[in-house]
Amino acid sequence: AQSVTQLDSQVPVFEEAPVELRCNYSSSVSVYLFWYVQYPNQGLQLLLKYLSGSTLVKGINGFEAEFNKSQTSFHLRKPSVHISDTAEYFCAVSGSGGSYIPTFGRGTSLIVHP
Amino acid sequence: GAVVSQHPSRVICKSGTSVKIECRSLDFQATTMFWYRQFPKQSLMLMATSNEGSKATYEQGVEKDKFLINHASLTLSTLTVTSAHPEDSSFYICSAPPGQGALGYTFGSGTRLTVV
Repeated sequence: AQSVTQLDSQVPVFEEAPVELRCNYSSSVSVYLFWYVQYPNQGLQLLLKYLSGSTLVKGINGFEAEFNKSQTSFHLRKPSVHISDTAEYFCAVSGSGGSYIPTFGRGTSLIVHP
Repeated sequence: GAVVSQHPSRVICKSGTSVKIECRSLDFQATTMFWYRQFPKQSLMLMATSNEGSKATYEQGVEKDKFLINHASLTLSTLTVTSAHPEDSSFYICSAPPGQGALGYTFGSGTRLTVV
């Protein structure tokens, strides 16, 4: 079994400020990790994913995340946010073998203020 | 890249009627499709997994007779909400697992169902 905890339900931030969205997971097996973004009334779009290799993963729209196995974390970061980054962000985990159906976190609402 | 087309994007229906939601894989074959339900300000809850040519697999607590899933071809999966009630109002999203070379799961754009 696996689970995902997104520690913050809402993160307000001013435009051009840096942001970190936190994600912790638990799993008894090796995992794949994902971050998705959801704009209002839309489906989910993949931001980035970690499968193996380098623990620092770069994604679209200037986002990056770092896999920390010892802390079972996969926090999402962006050095300078824009108004257009306002959206819901979901962290997800799936097993790297066997069942690959992802488990999603509850989501973090990023609100960027001008 | 892989694209899943989902429609309708929004639908309003009367209580007791049925609503069909379609998800089509446009440039790839999806032998499996996941159907999720999302309540406001909450995460995605997996409802069922449809498999082309066989019966869908439902998650615990999901009513099979209310949420009919059909995967008639390698490019089409449908979810029919039968005898809809206001409590069925929600955002429904389909998703196809990554194929060879794909970056991750491909999601449809979602369907906002409102039952009045």
